Amino acid sequence: QSALTQPASVSGSPGQSITISCTGTSSDVGGYNYVSWYQQHPGKAPKLMIYEVSNRPLGVSNRFSGSKSGKTASLTISGLQAEDEADYYCSSYTSSNTPHVVFGGGTKLTVL
Amino acid sequence: EVQLLESGGGLVQPGGSLRLSCSASGFTFSSYAMTWVRQAPGKGLEWVSGISHSGGSTYYADSVKGRLTISRDNPKNTLYLQMNSLRAEDTAVYYCAKGRDAYNLYWFDPWGQGTLVTVSS
Repeated sequence: QSALTQPASVSGSPGQSITISCTGTSSDVGGYNYVSWYQQHPGKAPKLMIYEVSNRPLGVSNRFSGSKSGKTASLTISGLQAEDEADYYCSSYTSSNTPHVVFGGGTKLTVL
Repeated sequence: EVQLLESGGGLVQPGGSLRLSCSASGFTFSSYAMTWVRQAPGKGLEWVSGISHSGGSTYYADSVKGRLTISRDNPKNTLYLQMNSLRAEDTAVYYCAKGRDAYNLYWFDPWGQGTLVTVSS
């Protein structure tokens, strides 16, 4: 059981928008603005897509955006492209003594 | 370009030991906290351990506390993970990653390519 809850899968057609949710508690997502999102293609290392809820690293497309409301964070991908098909993981700092950082179980995005 | 390159993975018997290394380049290694994250075959990401820029503070997941030890050699730009008393459930790809700043592990960028550890008899 992962500390953060994500849907197992989402899908969308090219050009559409999708949103992936990430639900935690007041000790992690709800208590801090340190939610991040990672994209992982099969056999590859994770790549940071969003940090501190809504910030994009240099080089990440502005089609990716993040937000948070209460204990739930969201990743939205607009203008879906075939290359967006991947696994997506949310993560949050946690005030629990251990672990220091918690991940969601991951969401498989399929571009139809 | 910031690069992280893990090494040291392999096949080890239950109860055995292994030391992973992560060689860093392209940034001032001694100025950043670092972390290890693992991914069991077909599973999600699991945070394992973190260390502050100087090595003065270390953090561990409950699942590895007392068996895995994180350390760093700043003059050599290298992060380590000493793995003892290994169990089958430690089988995973182990990634090293760079933290946000000197102390904080709020998010990780970039990640290395990973090294596979297989614990089996």
